[in-house]
Amino acid sequence: GQNIDQPTEMTATEGAIVQINCTYQTSGFNGLFWYQQHAGEAPTFLSYNVLDGLEEKGRFSSFLSRSKGYSYLLLKELQMKDSASYLCAVLDSNYQLIWGAGTKLIIKP
Amino acid sequence: GAVVSQHPSWVICKSGTSVKIECRSLDFQATTMFWYRQFPKQSLMLMATSNEGSKATYEQGVEKDKFLINHASLTLSTLTVTSAHPEDSSFYICSARDPSGDYNEQFFGPGTRLTVL
Repeated sequence: GQNIDQPTEMTATEGAIVQINCTYQTSGFNGLFWYQQHAGEAPTFLSYNVLDGLEEKGRFSSFLSRSKGYSYLLLKELQMKDSASYLCAVLDSNYQLIWGAGTKLIIKP
Repeated sequence: GAVVSQHPSWVICKSGTSVKIECRSLDFQATTMFWYRQFPKQSLMLMATSNEGSKATYEQGVEKDKFLINHASLTLSTLTVTSAHPEDSSFYICSARDPSGDYNEQFFGPGTRLTVL
């Protein structure tokens, strides 16, 4: 079966760095996405990785290792507004998105 | 990025009535749109894939006769929840893939919160 695992909840301090991990087992791979979802709102696109390595975009970076079925989202200089759920999703061989359950990130002052 | 709108934002209805939710891609043409449902504190659950000009593809366990999907044009898909019951109360979100986009990502509408009394 297809499976995506990520921690349920994480807590970090304002100004710090946090890494949210995601491991996946899917039928085929056409890329991995990270989305941010604030409570009561729809997800918004953060990043896309299809090749191994690190993609940096401002305070957010995303890493992919296809051989390990592993990705992480790195958030630097955390701000209170970063409190949200972070969803990992993989595009499988049928170009269908397989979603993780999301990681709720709590930022404390 | 591409913009997807959804209407209404929230709706309250009586049990047994039908509710229609519209999803529009505002600045691109979407041959494929997706309908999701999300219960509180849970992740997105794909209900169906809506294909322009053809029948929707429903996920296992989703009743096609209860959740009617119509994708009549390249910019509009509708989801009708027929004979709604309290257990259908949820956050319904549509998304569309912009074929001209850089990453094949899905752009999400703002969601519709449905409450069935």
